[in-house]
Amino acid sequence: EAGVAQSPRYKIIEKRQSVAFWCNPISGHATLYWYQQILGQGPKLLIQFQNNGVVDDSQLPKDRFSAERLKGVDSTLKIQPAKLEDSAVYLCASSLVPDSPLHFGNGTRLTVT
Amino acid sequence: QKEVEQDPGPLSVPEGAIVSLNCTYSNSAFQYFMWYRQYSRKGPELLMYTYSSGNKEDGRFTAQVDKSSKYISLFIRDSQPSDSATYLCAMSRIQGAQKLVFGQGTRLTINP
Repeated sequence: EAGVAQSPRYKIIEKRQSVAFWCNPISGHATLYWYQQILGQGPKLLIQFQNNGVVDDSQLPKDRFSAERLKGVDSTLKIQPAKLEDSAVYLCASSLVPDSPLHFGNGTRLTVT
Repeated sequence: QKEVEQDPGPLSVPEGAIVSLNCTYSNSAFQYFMWYRQYSRKGPELLMYTYSSGNKEDGRFTAQVDKSSKYISLFIRDSQPSDSATYLCAMSRIQGAQKLVFGQGTRLTINP
């Protein structure tokens, strides 16, 4: 079983620029999550999708972050404009159904200078 | 106060030692408790999943939950250098992957 794929692995941008991250979940997994992991902290949920619908985006900073999951498979997370405090690893995860365990990708490490 | 507290370490022990990792929490509604292992520059992977109070054993790993004290533990027996990683506790009110609240992780090093 192929794991959760994320790209790019690393991204360095200047503040106020925009950036996008891509995620391909495990085949057949209906539920997809984006987490933000700041250095030295645990992951924090940004948004949860069930197929192509948003289930929970209560912790997503909607003034600058957006996410979509077209066709209920791949997903993109965008930040526009980026701030210094957005420097973190952005982890995508998927689960077969909402009450089954999470499978994480290896993340995209974002540095905002 | 954070909902989930975890000592960030770092914790360094010799190979073969028994390791004890712990988390405390404040939300009594948490029912599902997990431990994830995260190697450097990798995503977290699920190690143990328990519901409510009690013990669960899987090979060298034992997870304990004490809901009365709001305290969970992960024990690693016969620790190996390959166990060197960051260990994250996570918990939720509902089953599965939703509404997980993570601790900040404990960095563990097993010295040969």
